[in-house]
Amino acid sequence: GNSVTQMEGPVTLSEEAFLTINCTYTATGYPSLFWYVQYPGEGLQLLLKATKADDKGSNKGFEATYRKETTSFHLEKGSVQVSDSAVYFCALSDGTGANSKLTFGKGITLSVRP
Amino acid sequence: DTGVSQDPRHKITKRGQNVTFRCDPISEHNRLYWYRQTLGQGPEFLTYFQNEAQLEKSRLLSDRFSAERPKGSFSTLEIQRTEQGDSAMYLCASSNSGPETQYFGPGTRLLVL
Repeated sequence: GNSVTQMEGPVTLSEEAFLTINCTYTATGYPSLFWYVQYPGEGLQLLLKATKADDKGSNKGFEATYRKETTSFHLEKGSVQVSDSAVYFCALSDGTGANSKLTFGKGITLSVRP
Repeated sequence: DTGVSQDPRHKITKRGQNVTFRCDPISEHNRLYWYRQTLGQGPEFLTYFQNEAQLEKSRLLSDRFSAERPKGSFSTLEIQRTEQGDSAMYLCASSNSGPETQYFGPGTRLLVL
């Protein structure tokens, strides 16, 4: 079945540091890939997505590229801010069936120090 | 605000009691999903509706769980004879057809004592 593996956390960075959060996946067919973010006290929000190989999703300075050859969708940001402190979830949606249910990774907590 | 809403936001109940949660999706969305999230884990799929039809249920959804979406608008998730293992955040999401973005509600946090 489908699965998503995220790097172990938590991650603590200083403001303006470079961020990479690794995500790899296992899926049949051609899934769409997502990063969701959960800020303290808030619900899950879509951060970015990519629907086919080599697509790059981007939003709020974050980027991730759909790499089919390495089955990866790593999240990057060049300069993190304190306001980026949140839990980040990588997810995939099975593109082969009518049900586009999401399969999530465990999530990783990012804390950014001033 | 026209986002996904869930009610109640918090529920504390005693083991063996029944509980019901409600989800109101974004009005033009025909797909509605329920997920469950436990501490330190990502959300796990429970069930999915296209309009009023329940098209898929996860093996996580035991016989004590039932979900409805009677008119293809709001949905309810009922848990009968709750167990301590049912304690979790229950999330609802909605989307349009196809690989469209799912928009999540704030969740209902259930604690079974």
